[in-house]
Amino acid sequence: SQQGEEDPQALSIQEGENATMNCSYKTSINNLQWYRQNSGRGLVHLILIRSNEREKHSGRLRVTLDTSKKSSSLLITASRAADTASYFCATGTYLNTDKLIFGTGTRLQVFP
Amino acid sequence: EAGVTQFPSHSVIEKGQTVTLRCDPISGHDNLYWYRRVMGKEIKFLLHFVKESKQDESGMPNNRFLAERTGGTYSTLKVQPAELEDSGVYFCASSQWTGGYEQYFGPGTRLTVT
Repeated sequence: SQQGEEDPQALSIQEGENATMNCSYKTSINNLQWYRQNSGRGLVHLILIRSNEREKHSGRLRVTLDTSKKSSSLLITASRAADTASYFCATGTYLNTDKLIFGTGTRLQVFP
Repeated sequence: EAGVTQFPSHSVIEKGQTVTLRCDPISGHDNLYWYRRVMGKEIKFLLHFVKESKQDESGMPNNRFLAERTGGTYSTLKVQPAELEDSGVYFCASSQWTGGYEQYFGPGTRLTVT
């Protein structure tokens, strides 16, 4: 069964706007990681949030985690054209913290 | 600090042939993982090494896939014989510790089986 699903599947915004992507999962997690993938390239690690954390920040990125709803969100503030990429969430469960289960990804397009 | 590197970046082989992918993890990372993304589907876990030992190989699809990590440094993933459904992008990742820590990914190897 699929652990992670991102929502929306695609998002188009103008530079300067904020972008919010959501990730839902099914089983209890130990950690949740967000990645970015630029077209045709590898995955870049953005943020890891643990199950006992509710919010983390890194630069223009803000990640929240709601374990009661089994969901996480990634907010990119003041977006730039360079933020155009696919964004994935990946979860590690308590049974297997290191076997990351990826979602389907959100394709973000930021127009200049 | 160099990141995770993978070689080759792209490989095109015929069905029935053999291909070997290589991954060099970040220096000092004992944990090495292989993942793959096929046919536009989700990225799926293949296996996890801790040093030279296979910690978890539950994601390996069948016995045509063989992963090794001799000496606990770089790893190879051999596909023999390759089938059409093996086409996809194979990612390698490494982490410093086990127990749910950041996994840093390489650029991937795009495998095309014709």
